[in-house]
Amino acid sequence: GQQLNQSPQSMFIQEGEDVSMNCTSSSIFNTWLWYKQDPGEGPVLLIALYKAGELTSNGRLTAQFGITRKDSFLNISASIPSDVGIYFCAGTQGGSEKLVFGKGMKLTVNP
Amino acid sequence: SAVISQKPSRDICQRGTSLTIQCQVDSQVTMMFWYRQQPGQSLTLIATANQGSEATYESGFVIDKFPISRPNLTFSTLTVSNMSPEDSSIYLCSLGGRETQYFGPGTRLLVL
Repeated sequence: GQQLNQSPQSMFIQEGEDVSMNCTSSSIFNTWLWYKQDPGEGPVLLIALYKAGELTSNGRLTAQFGITRKDSFLNISASIPSDVGIYFCAGTQGGSEKLVFGKGMKLTVNP
Repeated sequence: SAVISQKPSRDICQRGTSLTIQCQVDSQVTMMFWYRQQPGQSLTLIATANQGSEATYESGFVIDKFPISRPNLTFSTLTVSNMSPEDSSIYLCSLGGRETQYFGPGTRLLVL
């Protein structure tokens, strides 16, 4: 089935640094969602994007829906230790309610 | 967003047995989904569960192995049948639709 290519797979950064991650696909998506999963928890929705070119912020997080509708990125500015976790992109295609997930990016923030 | 709870939160089971996982939502929702997250992996959709109709399973998942019930708009169960160690995963329910989905806390299953 359709898969999302998420990169990088992991990042090790110092507290205060910015981090960027992206997801790409060979086909068009109608919705892009970004989730964070902490150990032992379910994924928590961070940002939802619905229109090509849309740029949305949530605190220190900024995400964009690519103009081609085949990609999306998430930026985290001024990272803090609690940003540690696994970040997933996900999206829906056509009229489907089914979410397709990327493989995730594991973020480590050194204090 | 709705509050989603799952029971049990974790379990250790013997191979060959079955476990039923419950998902409870604090408001009525039309669409519920069940996902599997194998160790260190991403989430894979098992099936879509709509109230009043049979669950729709994704490729690679069958009803005999993962029977699902959806008796009302606030509750669903997923059973993992005849378990083997390969079934050790986190099982998550979610609700929503094509514009957004929210996830429960997950059930961590270890099969010995």
